[in-house]
Amino acid sequence: DTGVSQNPRHKITKRGQNVTFRCDPISEHNRLYWYRQTLGQGPEFLTYFQNEAQLEKSRLLSDRFSAERPKGSFSTLEIQRTEQGDSAMYLCASSFGQLIYGYTFGSGTRLTVV
Amino acid sequence: SQQGEEDPQALSIQEGENATMNCSYKTSINNLQWYRQNSGRGLVHLILIRSNEREKHSGRLRVTLDTSKKSSSLLITASRAADTASYFCATDVQGGSEKLVFGKGMKLTVNP
Repeated sequence: DTGVSQNPRHKITKRGQNVTFRCDPISEHNRLYWYRQTLGQGPEFLTYFQNEAQLEKSRLLSDRFSAERPKGSFSTLEIQRTEQGDSAMYLCASSFGQLIYGYTFGSGTRLTVV
Repeated sequence: SQQGEEDPQALSIQEGENATMNCSYKTSINNLQWYRQNSGRGLVHLILIRSNEREKHSGRLRVTLDTSKKSSSLLITASRAADTASYFCATDVQGGSEKLVFGKGMKLTVNP
């Protein structure tokens, strides 16, 4: 599979629980991005990795959110003590080189906090 | 905050007709991209136009960019039912950031 893979596709969790999502980018892509999308809105930037280094974080990424990309391959996004406002689609994207080729997005993980 | 703003927010046309979507943005950019999103899925990159380009074609897609008006348009010719999706414009942020800033999107419905 040459696309960006995200797991799980759907996650329902109770408020206060921790959740972790995984993203496997296209193997040749050194850049990896996390975005969040709520209903009726466009994606909003959360964070960006170049190889294993997290180079940029949005102010949307509160201290309950943490992302890692060990060894510059797959990435995980963890949300601690989930709140109902965290319910959204979490999208991962990867790209090769600078922002001139466009992103390849995964299908996303839809999180519902009840 | 969102940079791009698509117009109209929703468009319904018949198969075979052309669809035009407009995007306005607020700050200077290096490039502007258009993406498509089918319901509940990830986004698919359609086309990228650089700030020094005025027009670009890809298959049935034609994108224009007017940096003086801070606007772009996406034209889909000879639309098909399979073109039914949401379309987003996205711009980079000058100043070294790697992020893209997306608009709210435009819902296109192509009726067979």
